[in-house]
Amino acid sequence: GQNIDQPTEMTATEGAIVQINCTYQTSGFNGLFWYQQHAGEAPTFLSYNVLDGLEEKGRFSSFLSRSKGYSYLLLKELQMKDSASYLCAVREVATDKLIFGTGTRLQVFP
Amino acid sequence: DTGVSQDPRHKITKRGQNVTFRCDPISEHNRLYWYRQTLGQGPEFLTYFQNEAQLEKSRLLSDRFSAERPKGSFSTLEIQRTEQGDSAMYLCASSHSAGSSGGVNSYEQYFGPGTRLTVT
Repeated sequence: GQNIDQPTEMTATEGAIVQINCTYQTSGFNGLFWYQQHAGEAPTFLSYNVLDGLEEKGRFSSFLSRSKGYSYLLLKELQMKDSASYLCAVREVATDKLIFGTGTRLQVFP
Repeated sequence: DTGVSQDPRHKITKRGQNVTFRCDPISEHNRLYWYRQTLGQGPEFLTYFQNEAQLEKSRLLSDRFSAERPKGSFSTLEIQRTEQGDSAMYLCASSHSAGSSGGVNSYEQYFGPGTRLTVT
């Protein structure tokens, strides 16, 4: 079976750092994606991890531990425009289909 | 614009009516996926195509749902006898199949803007 867990909501202050955690249990793993989704819009790609470790991309970093079934997305120097839902998704081996978590709704306050 | 496009963006229909949505993927992508997303949830996989072949269907896809990709390019998703529970955002995504060269960007799924369906 497949199960992906992430917190439902988080709040943070402009300029701060926030870490969004994701744990997963899947029958076949071929990489973990993070997507950002603003209300009423389509998900947009943020990051991808297939090997253990940290991937950095500007203000955003993503970490993966395959042995622990764990990932996090780190957002630095938060801006108001970062208020959105952040979706953790695991890609299946054979089909490449994405299995999404419910998303973490992040609200950034001034 | 060379991204994934979907039409219509919004659809309001009465219960019992049939609706059809269209997705135009990125032209060089051979895989096309349909997802459904309800408020407060992540997208849920419905079905996917590699070229014109429909390779997997979720059990979420009841007999009232059918999808086609006749020439391996655009795809349609039809819902017959719509029910209020079908109200959701229907997302289409496209990608290269795994094994293509070029790193993550060769098989990252690119999402279209979605079709928001409201069944009254």
